[in-house]
Amino acid sequence: EAQVTQNPRYLITVTGKKLTVTCSQNMNHEYMSWYRQDPGLGLRQIYYSMNVEVTDKGDVPEGYKVSRKEKRNFPLILESPSPNQTSLYFCASSSGTGTSEADTQYFGPGTRLTVL
Amino acid sequence: GQQLNQSPQSMFIQEGEDVSMNCTSSSIFNTWLWYKQDPGEGPVLLIALYKAGELTSNGRLTAQFGITRKDSFLNISASIPSDVGIYFCAGRPTGAGSYQLTFGKGTKLSVIP
Repeated sequence: EAQVTQNPRYLITVTGKKLTVTCSQNMNHEYMSWYRQDPGLGLRQIYYSMNVEVTDKGDVPEGYKVSRKEKRNFPLILESPSPNQTSLYFCASSSGTGTSEADTQYFGPGTRLTVL
Repeated sequence: GQQLNQSPQSMFIQEGEDVSMNCTSSSIFNTWLWYKQDPGEGPVLLIALYKAGELTSNGRLTAQFGITRKDSFLNISASIPSDVGIYFCAGRPTGAGSYQLTFGKGTKLSVIP
């Protein structure tokens, strides 16, 4: 089954304690993105990756890091989480070739993060 | 980044009624997408639009790419309870890569049986 998986689904942590949210896709997609979703603000892109070892900042990258060492994985790293990073996080992937199929961004189930 | 204005923010409608929502932008977009998010899940693509004036249907859903390339609307006909959820528009500004999407803030739809 084609899917994007994220772990953990729920996480409560404290300020300053480094954490990683994993994302993996089994569709051989080149493009992967991380979004955060906050009430009243919709989805905002944090980072995206066009391919292995190629990453770039989205609209709200401050306080986050990513890596793309393998095509299927795109972890999101919070080196020193703060309460304003409490949010619902989504990973997404697409083949990204400009066709309608490529524009189908497949989203993971989401990770709800609370930073105390 | 780019801003999309999506309206209305929320809607309460009776089952069987038609629904209309729209998105506008201050700049030109070359792609418009409409997603639906069910509670506790990630967004799922409903309709993709690539040409100004394009009108595309997916079952009871119809979406159009505005002639000015700065707006799009989504209509849902004869709503049913499973239409409940948050609908997002998303656009790709001219010159942006295929991976760069800007999302609207969403329209929360509630259907009263």
